[in-house]
Amino acid sequence: DQQVKQNSPSLSVQEGRISILNCDYTNSMFDYFLWYKKYPAEGPTFLISISSIKDKNEDGRFTVFLNKSAKHLSLHIVPSQPGDSAVYFCAASAVRGSNYKLTFGKGTLLTVNP
Amino acid sequence: EAQVTQNPRYLITVTGKKLTVTCSQNMNHEYMSWYRQDPGLGLRQIYYSMNVEVTDKGDVPEGYKVSRKEKRNFPLILESPSPNQTSLYFCASSHDRGTEAFFGQGTRLTVV
Repeated sequence: DQQVKQNSPSLSVQEGRISILNCDYTNSMFDYFLWYKKYPAEGPTFLISISSIKDKNEDGRFTVFLNKSAKHLSLHIVPSQPGDSAVYFCAASAVRGSNYKLTFGKGTLLTVNP
Repeated sequence: EAQVTQNPRYLITVTGKKLTVTCSQNMNHEYMSWYRQDPGLGLRQIYYSMNVEVTDKGDVPEGYKVSRKEKRNFPLILESPSPNQTSLYFCASSHDRGTEAFFGQGTRLTVV
């Protein structure tokens, strides 16, 4: 049973436009969400996170929105740049729980065309 | 420089030959994890540790062992590797459960 779902395996956008990556989750115990970016032959690198007590978090060109009632979060990249081309993973955890489980989605390959 | 170091980066081995992938972090983090990445499946957690001598299973622990004898190290042990353990493995560490994890560069393991 997949608890974190990224339903779009890939996304292609034009440089300068907005990229929107989506993520859905099923476990209502999740209270902390993260986005990671991964280039080929490298480990994932942290991008931005959001706690369930918030509905929006911004860091420069990156904004994450959380809709708890819909169990949905999205990552907005504005403006998109060719260097943003990578696989993006959504991840979720239950921080108030007693374990350190971090559940990832399958990832979305973002391609930003010059 | 803050980092998570995995060794080796690449490994080809034969079925049944025990191997260990090492992981070391220099950030004094209490939390460490191992993940495997497979095509179409994303990253799946194998084992995690919340402190020295405290380890627990993730989502795909079968065929793996870990130990946490000291804070900085968290080796992944495959006692009898099988071809279905051919994968890309990542070690990660974090300061707390509610903070981001730092990942190593990965170990590509092939079991023939």
